[in-house]
Amino acid sequence: QVQLVQSGAEVKKPGASVKVSCKVAGYTLRDLAMHWVRQAPGKGLEWMGGFDHEDGETNYAQMFQGRVTMTEDTSTDTAYMELSSLRSEDTAVYYCATEGGGWYRIWGQGTMIIVSS
Amino acid sequence: EIVLTQSPATLSLSPGERATLSCRASQSVNHYLAWYQQKPGQAPRLVIYDVSNRATGIPARFSGSGSGTDFTLTISSLEPEDFGVYYCQQRSNWRGFGQGTKLEIK
Repeated sequence: QVQLVQSGAEVKKPGASVKVSCKVAGYTLRDLAMHWVRQAPGKGLEWMGGFDHEDGETNYAQMFQGRVTMTEDTSTDTAYMELSSLRSEDTAVYYCATEGGGWYRIWGQGTMIIVSS
Repeated sequence: EIVLTQSPATLSLSPGERATLSCRASQSVNHYLAWYQQKPGQAPRLVIYDVSNRATGIPARFSGSGSGTDFTLTISSLEPEDFGVYYCQQRSNWRGFGQGTKLEIK
């Protein structure tokens, strides 16, 4: 049974960076395609990016290009999402999710990031 | 970029009624379309994938249909646990979600 356990909530100042972790339990990260999705308060789901097994690359949504970096530490089965130059509009719950058969079958519990001065 | 437009924004129905949710894509997504259910304070849950396949544990009252650019999620007879927000998602070109349909109890 695959489980994704994310790091805890954080409060950041505008202009700062945040790094959210997502630890895989019950499976090996190397065999998973990890993606990140965020949800602003009261809003819908927004795809940020993720690993594509077909081309072996990590792809980022255009609106986050240059500000987001997704990495993996296979020695600890932990994925990371770092977002820089934070602004108030980045206040959201950030989810990691794995693609099984191309779809997000397993989700983390979410990490609330608040950007406020 | 493929834009997914869901309708209606809100659907108010009673338990036992039939729910029909729509998702329209700005260009063809072939069969690369899924539906997710989300309840307050929870992560989304995969309901339907590849247009019409039910995910593990999803009851038979849920069904999906459509092709190309127009897709439908149907819940044949609503149960109290079915209420929440439903999102469609495509993976034909990168990834993307619709803005959601809130299914609420009337």
